[in-house]
Amino acid sequence: NAGVMQNPRHLVRRRGQEARLRCSPMKGHSHVYWYRQLPEEGLKFMVYLQKENIIDESGMPKERFSAEFPKEGPSILRIQQVVRGDSAAYFCATTPDRNSGNTIYFGEGSWLTVV
Amino acid sequence: LAKTTQPISMDSYEGQEVNITCSHNNIATNDYITWYQQFPSQGPRFIIQGYKTKVTNEVASLFIPADRKSSTLSLPRVSLSDTAVYYCLVGGANTDKLIFGTGTRLQVFP
Repeated sequence: NAGVMQNPRHLVRRRGQEARLRCSPMKGHSHVYWYRQLPEEGLKFMVYLQKENIIDESGMPKERFSAEFPKEGPSILRIQQVVRGDSAAYFCATTPDRNSGNTIYFGEGSWLTVV
Repeated sequence: LAKTTQPISMDSYEGQEVNITCSHNNIATNDYITWYQQFPSQGPRFIIQGYKTKVTNEVASLFIPADRKSSTLSLPRVSLSDTAVYYCLVGGANTDKLIFGTGTRLQVFP
């Protein structure tokens, strides 16, 4: 997992606040996936982005959630007006390009706790 | 996207060989099979990838039969530190969303 950096590692927010999770890809990687994992559950696909473009966001909740991957800087997963059900681990994974198949490299995750 | 099916959990003892099988009946011609390992509170880690027959690296072996409708991850002589969840993932070039299955929770006992 070396190289894919996520921050913050742990984030506590009160209900109604905003959460911003950042993912810096490995060097040379221009594609980012975001996954959510609830305790004792599997990884749920949320969104797939390349720089300045959302390729697939079919796993994103319709409201309050958004993601971006600007030309410069990290990819950001933004959750507005957080609720307790948003408490989970959020993982990003990166890959060099769209033709890398399913060899993706994960970060260590960001744990969001909503109180 | 090819759906994958794995056993929910497996138990083993230190020093034994563990084989975890994944079914992917509707795998596409250009799909690869990749296995990931996840420890608690960590991100998944790439273990091994293959397309057909057998692939071996320093960690594991991957056996894929000719019809490619299943694959088996083989962990030789497991230790306590191999206790983790193992995910099988199937996809190929231009796969837009990579869907993970439920994974197999391996528990290794002393």
